[in-house]
Amino acid sequence: SQKIEQNSEALNIQEGKTATLTCNYTNYSPAYLQWYRQDPGRGPVFLLLIRENEKEKRKERLKVTFDTTLKQSLFHITASQPADSATYLCALESAGNMLTFGGGTRLMVKP
Amino acid sequence: DADVTQTPRNRITKTGKRIMLECSQTKGHDRMYWYRQDPGLGLRLIYYSFDVKDINKGEISDGYSVSRQAQAKFSLSLESAIPNQTALYFCATSGSGQASYEQYFGPGTRLTVT
Repeated sequence: SQKIEQNSEALNIQEGKTATLTCNYTNYSPAYLQWYRQDPGRGPVFLLLIRENEKEKRKERLKVTFDTTLKQSLFHITASQPADSATYLCALESAGNMLTFGGGTRLMVKP
Repeated sequence: DADVTQTPRNRITKTGKRIMLECSQTKGHDRMYWYRQDPGLGLRLIYYSFDVKDINKGEISDGYSVSRQAQAKFSLSLESAIPNQTALYFCATSGSGQASYEQYFGPGTRLTVT
């Protein structure tokens, strides 16, 4: 069956360090992969989209990689700040623009 | 004003009651979605609509129904609520016509069924 795995344990890092979050998937051939940020009690907010033929995408302090051979995406936040503390969701997009979401990883950036 | 609004924001209801959650959007998008979120399970798709006359079941549609009253409005109903429908419900919208679009989410409705 199709499965998307994100580390369910919270990731705790020190301010200024690079946070790296992982999204692994099985039995999918996604054309696109998206990352969202979700703050407590709020709806997810879109961050980045990467296509299957792109290896890497950047936006300000954010970087996403997409390895279709390993079936993995990495999401990096450089120079992390306490304001980056949130839950980050990966979502795989398959035919018909339908998204399937992972369970999310909570990031805590300590000052 | 928010692009995607949901009402109510919080609701407590009893088992067996009918309840409707409403979603409105001002983004002019054709596509609308209803998800539920449970701790550790991520977002799961309940129903989606690509236009007013196109409504489709998602991964977990049993026990739910929807109505697309207009391009801007998409309602989710629980005909006879049960406790395991206690969850956070999100409405989302997206554009169409290109290969891929991000989804825009509402603030969510926290539903508790006792």
